[in-house]
Amino acid sequence: QQQVKQSPQSLIVQKGGISIINCAYENTAFDYFPWYQQFPGKGPALLIAIRPDVSEKKEGRFTISFNKSAKQFSLHIMDSQPGDSATYFCAAILPAWAGSYQLTFGKGTKLSVIP
Amino acid sequence: DTGVSQDPRHKITKRGQNVTFRCDPISEHNRLYWYRQTLGQGPEFLTYFQNEAQLEKSRLLSDRFSAERPKGSFSTLEIQRTEQGDSAMYLCASSLAYPSGTYNEQFFGPGTRLTVL
Repeated sequence: QQQVKQSPQSLIVQKGGISIINCAYENTAFDYFPWYQQFPGKGPALLIAIRPDVSEKKEGRFTISFNKSAKQFSLHIMDSQPGDSATYFCAAILPAWAGSYQLTFGKGTKLSVIP
Repeated sequence: DTGVSQDPRHKITKRGQNVTFRCDPISEHNRLYWYRQTLGQGPEFLTYFQNEAQLEKSRLLSDRFSAERPKGSFSTLEIQRTEQGDSAMYLCASSLAYPSGTYNEQFFGPGTRLTVL
C-alpha cells in the first residue's frame, strides 16, 4: 500500500521555467509534509516543509501548496536552474504523539533543467 | 565535516554472505534511523533508535537483518545470508529528540550501496 503517491516520475523544464511536482496522501493522520532533494551519490536533504493547517509556504524560489480537503500537496520551483536538477521526494510523517518517527516517502521525481 | 557519515560507501558481496554497515550520526543527535532505497523508489523506513533503545521496526526488517546502537552513538546494520533482493542503498539518518511534540529534521548520510551478486 503506497501511502504517498508522487507524480510525474520525471520532468524536463527549460531554464527559467516553473517546475511542478505533485503528491497525494491517503492517511489523514499525517501532520507534517517535507520535501527532500537528492543529488546522485548523496543522501536526501530537507528542502522545505509544511503543516496541514497552512495552505502555502514559500522559501525563496520554492513554494509548497497544500490542499487538505483533497489530500494533495505540490512543490513549485520558480525560475528553475540547471543546479536544481536532482530527484525530489515528497514525504509525510505522523504527529509526535503517535510515537512513530518514520518518514513515508513518495517514489520521487527526477527533474532535469535544460539551459 | 559534522554530518552523518556511513561506511563503507559501496559493498559488493556474494549471495549468502553476511555484511555489516556502520553509521555515525551527528554527535548531539539522540535519534538514529535506517532506511532502504531501491532504484527508482523513495527511501523506505527500516528501524529507528532513541539513544541505545531500538523503538520501532518495519515489517521490511526481516529476521536476517539486525541493527544495534550499543552506546547510543554509532549504529551498525547487519544483513545475514544476503539475497539478491537485498541489493539497495542503505541510508542512515539522525535527528534530535527534543523539543518533543515537534518534528525534528532527519539529516541523511550519503548511504551505503549494496550489490549482491
